[in-house]
Amino acid sequence: SAVISQKPSRDICQRGTSLTIQCQVDSQVTMMFWYRQQPGQSLTLIATANQGSEATYESGFVIDKFPISRPNLTFSTLTVSNLSPEDSSIYLCSAGIRQDSYEQYFGPGTRLTVT
Amino acid sequence: DAKTTQPPSMDCAEGRAANLPCNHSTISGNEYVYWYRQIHSQGPQYIIHGLKNNETNEMASLIITEDRKSSTLILPHATLRDTAVYYCIVRVSLSTGTASKLTFGTGTRLQVTL
Repeated sequence: SAVISQKPSRDICQRGTSLTIQCQVDSQVTMMFWYRQQPGQSLTLIATANQGSEATYESGFVIDKFPISRPNLTFSTLTVSNLSPEDSSIYLCSAGIRQDSYEQYFGPGTRLTVT
Repeated sequence: DAKTTQPPSMDCAEGRAANLPCNHSTISGNEYVYWYRQIHSQGPQYIIHGLKNNETNEMASLIITEDRKSSTLILPHATLRDTAVYYCIVRVSLSTGTASKLTFGTGTRLQVTL
């Protein structure tokens, strides 16, 4: 298994600013993922964070809005840029410890409110 | 990946078994059934997965029908802490190097009551 921590746990940001969310894993993992969960909704995958290469984004999500870094095998950041009220959501990161499995471990999430 | 259908909500009395169904009638032979749950204000938690045989771990049992068109997650003695949204996800088996992306549906909201 893996333990995932995220910082910050919550934040309130003004429209037009950016927020960077950090995700730390307690062990080296190959796969890390970023999800968004809008109020009352299920999770939507934003992107797969690949170590040593560009992130792979899902349809509807672009690098300019959601730049991702993955500097090593235990850490990743997601930035939500040019914030608008529609970006108010919970953002979660997860880690997959095996490439041949969909068993993933999730962080507690970052609750973002944009005013 | 096969589509899944789950009831939107279920109730279960504490101490009783909670049986959560999932229909995946278009599942193909190399697709696994995964179950996750999300307790309020927490990230999702992996529970169990299986291909065609029944599986059991310390959290739950997974019963997959012989034709694999449906499955049931069983929490043998539900407690209040099991109140959560339960997600059934069907995913094709992976080869090394393939990203293990998950797609979450709307799940079943299980309410365990006294």
